[in-house]
Amino acid sequence: GEDVEQSLFLSVREGDSSVINCTYTDSSSTYLYWYKQEPGAGLQLLTYIFSNMDMKQDQRLTVLLNKKDKHLSLRIADTQTGDSAIYFCAETPGSNDYKLSFGAGTTVTVRA
Amino acid sequence: DVKVTQSSRYLVKRTGEKVFLECVQDMDHENMFWYRQDPGLGLRLIYFSYDVKMKEKGDIPEGYSVSREKKERFSLILESASTNQTSMYLCASSRTTGGGQPQHFGDGTRLSIL
Repeated sequence: GEDVEQSLFLSVREGDSSVINCTYTDSSSTYLYWYKQEPGAGLQLLTYIFSNMDMKQDQRLTVLLNKKDKHLSLRIADTQTGDSAIYFCAETPGSNDYKLSFGAGTTVTVRA
Repeated sequence: DVKVTQSSRYLVKRTGEKVFLECVQDMDHENMFWYRQDPGLGLRLIYFSYDVKMKEKGDIPEGYSVSREKKERFSLILESASTNQTSMYLCASSRTTGGGQPQHFGDGTRLSIL
């Protein structure tokens, strides 16, 4: 989706932190989501954040939202080989809140 | 946990065939969605249904139709399959419209049209 942009690839060493970035254009976005897709599988919801929040933490995952810059990030602490996957950022546009606009996905590769 | 089940993981069909992809959810969700996923393009919405027998076109409805006769089942139909419809197809459901109602996805159907 042209409304949500992500870098396509990220390589990280096992045990390090991963940071996946996303930018979006719709200033009326209400909810922003992170999904994970493992090879050959569907999308798994990881976490989501409401637009009036700056940060949300859930175990190894930290989501940061800068609404002014329309920038969303997902930090994975202590990255493991099982975190190798494609990560999708998605937003709910304010005008059509049933739809999700997805980024193209960031392929995260964890190396030993 | 929400369970969204797609009837086939892999499917191979021929050009011109009528193809049915089936999706079932077990959480009494009002909304159901069909997406296709292509490398570098992310997910694109084909059709959406917010109630039985109700449907709305998504971003790329051309060449597809849908059917929702029962709340738990949403079918995607390729009326006359073409090679450019070779793709991964993902079904999703959500409880209702409104923010904070995330979509839950099935495992996908990888469709090849020869």
